[in-house]
Amino acid sequence: EAGVAQSPRYKIIEKRQSVAFWCNPISGHATLYWYQQILGQGPKLLIQFQNNGVVDDSQLPKDRFSAERLKGVDSTLKIQPAKLEDSAVYLCASSWQRVTSTDTQYFGPGTRLTVL
Amino acid sequence: AQSVTQPDIHITVSEGASLELRCNYSYGATPYLFWYVQSPGQGLQLLLKYFSGDTLVQGIKGFEAEFKRSQSSFNLRKPSVHWSDAAEYFCAVETTGGFKTIFGAGTRLFVKA
Repeated sequence: EAGVAQSPRYKIIEKRQSVAFWCNPISGHATLYWYQQILGQGPKLLIQFQNNGVVDDSQLPKDRFSAERLKGVDSTLKIQPAKLEDSAVYLCASSWQRVTSTDTQYFGPGTRLTVL
Repeated sequence: AQSVTQPDIHITVSEGASLELRCNYSYGATPYLFWYVQSPGQGLQLLLKYFSGDTLVQGIKGFEAEFKRSQSSFNLRKPSVHWSDAAEYFCAVETTGGFKTIFGAGTRLFVKA
């Protein structure tokens, strides 16, 4: 079974530029998450989708971050414009469903973003 | 508000020695608790999870964790560490109902020969 795929793996941009990350979850997984992991910290949930609907985006900086999962499968996270403090690893995860908390989250390898 | 504290930023153990990584949580109700491992350049992998029942939980790769409600702790243990266990370990708590996972800051494990 293929795991969660993310691209690109690395991205370097200058501040005020735009960037987009792509995630393809495990086939059949209804729930998709985007996390931000700043160096030295644990991952922080940015947004959670159930199929193509948003379940939780309370920690997403909506003035600059946006995410979509139009067909309920793959997802794109965008930052526009980027700030220095956005430098982090962006992790995507998926799980079968979110009816209960017993569903395991499977994480992709992440995209390391450096903002100069 | 829910929170997770991992008091040790990094720990060094000798190969073959026992390991205990500490985790304390703050949550009003019965928590759902997790330990994840993150190897360099890889995503997080679930080691084990606790929802209810037996307070000693067995996981993959020979790890176990014990839930102690009185101490609000969920420490991770392994009787004999292998060099391949060198990685970063994250404790996490999940809010019931909201299903939001809150991670600790992590503990980096170094294994010396």
